[in-house]
Amino acid sequence: IAGITQAPTSQILAAGRRMTLRCTQDMRHNAMYWYRQDLGLGLRLIHYSNTAGTTGKGEVPDGYSVSRANTDDFPLTLASAVPSQTSVYFCASSISGGTGELFFGEGSRLTVL
Amino acid sequence: RKEVEQDPGPFNVPEGATVAFNCTYSNSASQSFFWYRQDCRKEPKLLMSVYSSGNEDGRFTAQLNRASQYISLLIRDSKLSDSATYLCVVNPQGGNNRKLIWGLGTSLAVNP
Repeated sequence: IAGITQAPTSQILAAGRRMTLRCTQDMRHNAMYWYRQDLGLGLRLIHYSNTAGTTGKGEVPDGYSVSRANTDDFPLTLASAVPSQTSVYFCASSISGGTGELFFGEGSRLTVL
Repeated sequence: RKEVEQDPGPFNVPEGATVAFNCTYSNSASQSFFWYRQDCRKEPKLLMSVYSSGNEDGRFTAQLNRASQYISLLIRDSKLSDSATYLCVVNPQGGNNRKLIWGLGTSLAVNP
């Protein structure tokens, strides 16, 4: 089934630990994004990539890093998790970086204790 | 004024009712607009894109009022399955998804 796959779907993590959230798409979309969604704050962009090999910072990039080695994969890494990074993380993709029409993965619910 | 503002609701309506939500935006130069639907604990899904004055898709109609800087979403003949949160999204810079501004959403509950 075409779409975006995120893993893990849920994770509890001790503060200070390193964590990578995986995201894979099979739609051959050029652009990919990582958002976090928190109650009362809505969706906020963490990092994005308009094409393989390039990445950029979004609204809330601190504490997170990404890579885009190929078209399909866009992992998000928390180098040293902190409790404020407890959130629901959504990976998304779009055909290009300018359509506004995003396809989302099912989300990864992360709890940092 | 918030960049994108929505009435959080919840809107409680009976099946078959017509319901409308508004979304106001602050940047008059905004180029494109979208409505996404998000079910509880699920991912957002694109419902409609609004590039000109409006768009219609079955029971759903989106309208854009540039003079008053709002977009609306009208749902006719509401179904139980329409219960969800509806997110308004504004792109202040056409062709630049990293600038998308997401509203906090309007919650709709359709009751039998």
